[in-house]
Amino acid sequence: EAGVTQSPTHLIKTRGQQATLRCSPISGHTSVYWYQQALGLGLQFLLWYDEGEERNRGNFPPRFSGRQFPNYSSELNVNALELEDSALYLCASSRRGTGGDGYTFGSGTRLTVV
Amino acid sequence: AQKITQTQPGMFVQEKEAVTLDCTYDTSDPSYGLFWYKQPSSGEMIFLIYQGSYDQQNATEGRYSLNFQKARKSANLVISASQLGDSAMYFCAMREGRPYGNNRLAFGKGNQVVVIP
Repeated sequence: EAGVTQSPTHLIKTRGQQATLRCSPISGHTSVYWYQQALGLGLQFLLWYDEGEERNRGNFPPRFSGRQFPNYSSELNVNALELEDSALYLCASSRRGTGGDGYTFGSGTRLTVV
Repeated sequence: AQKITQTQPGMFVQEKEAVTLDCTYDTSDPSYGLFWYKQPSSGEMIFLIYQGSYDQQNATEGRYSLNFQKARKSANLVISASQLGDSAMYFCAMREGRPYGNNRLAFGKGNQVVVIP
């Protein structure tokens, strides 16, 4: 069974540009979560999508947005990039209402803003 | 407010010894779940173990066990018989509310563990 896949692995952008990150969940998982992990910090919750809808949003500005497609894959868009957006962006998936199964994470996209 | 606290500095552990990683949490919700993840240098977060707030017994998964002390709001991870491959960052996380409700996880800042031969 394929795990959670994220693309691209690395992304370098210039300040002010837009970045698009992609995530494909495990087959059978309907929920997708996005987290930001800046250097030296823990994971900060960004967004949660389930069944194509945004279910919850973390404390991030509106220039962080995303969507979930009918096949449950997801996109994270970051507009007007700032230097502090440089981080590892991790995507996770789960079944809806998972209990102790845990959330399966991908290997992340490392975004560097220069 | 910080919901998950991991305050230990980086740790060096002798191979084959046990190591305990501390985690305290803060919540007023009676229903919650606690998770531990391992993050090697590759970046991927690997699920290790889960403890539900209503679980009567401490969770165990192979060499991993969770020392759950509900009254103290602590959920320490114990890794027995450390292996070189255990060298990684370890994160404690909490999900508040019932599983069919809010699914977001709050993470601590992590503990760095280095296993030495």
